[in-house]
Amino acid sequence: GQQLNQSPQSMFIQEGEDVSMNCTSSSIFNTWLWYKQDPGEGPVLLIALYKAGELTSNGRLTAQFGITRKDSFLNISASIPSDVGIYFCAGRPTTGNQFYFGTGTSLTVIP
Amino acid sequence: EPEVTQTPSHQVTQMGQEVILRCVPISNHLYFYWYRQILGQKVEFLVSFYNNEISEKSEIFDDQFSVERPDGSNFTLKIRSTKLEDSAMYFCASSGRTQITYEQYFGPGTRLTVT
Repeated sequence: GQQLNQSPQSMFIQEGEDVSMNCTSSSIFNTWLWYKQDPGEGPVLLIALYKAGELTSNGRLTAQFGITRKDSFLNISASIPSDVGIYFCAGRPTTGNQFYFGTGTSLTVIP
Repeated sequence: EPEVTQTPSHQVTQMGQEVILRCVPISNHLYFYWYRQILGQKVEFLVSFYNNEISEKSEIFDDQFSVERPDGSNFTLKIRSTKLEDSAMYFCASSGRTQITYEQYFGPGTRLTVT
């Protein structure tokens, strides 16, 4: 199956700091989704991206669909304690509707 | 806000037993999915379902697995003879109202423990 690598694997930041994470693939994707997962719960959709170069915001979150179509980025500005969780990217290749999930970035926000 | 619901929240079963995991997708969504997540690992696609048939499945979704939409609201995943390695969180997701959209909304999951 497709491999999506997320970086960094984990982050420990101070409240108020900005956060950046990315997701890369060896293959081209047509759609990128970003999810947040709290322990013991299902992933919650944050942002959906459909076109190369697209930049979309959802409150303090901003995600971009990479120009090469092999990567995507998620930024969180002015982090707060409730941002704690695991962030997953998910990509849909050029054929089919199956999404492949990344390895996840664990975010810890220190008050 | 409509949401995907799943039952049970936790299922414990003995190896070799059959289990059925249940999901109620978001009303009027057309596409349904099952994913699994082994503890501490990434979410893995199992199967997608549209228009009362499987549209895609992964290599994980072997003959031990089956899905069904028995009525207008429920979507089920059956594992015929569970193995220890089937222990995981199983998530149902749905997407699409009047046309295909790729924004998948996940349920809270069922934790399956096979002993």
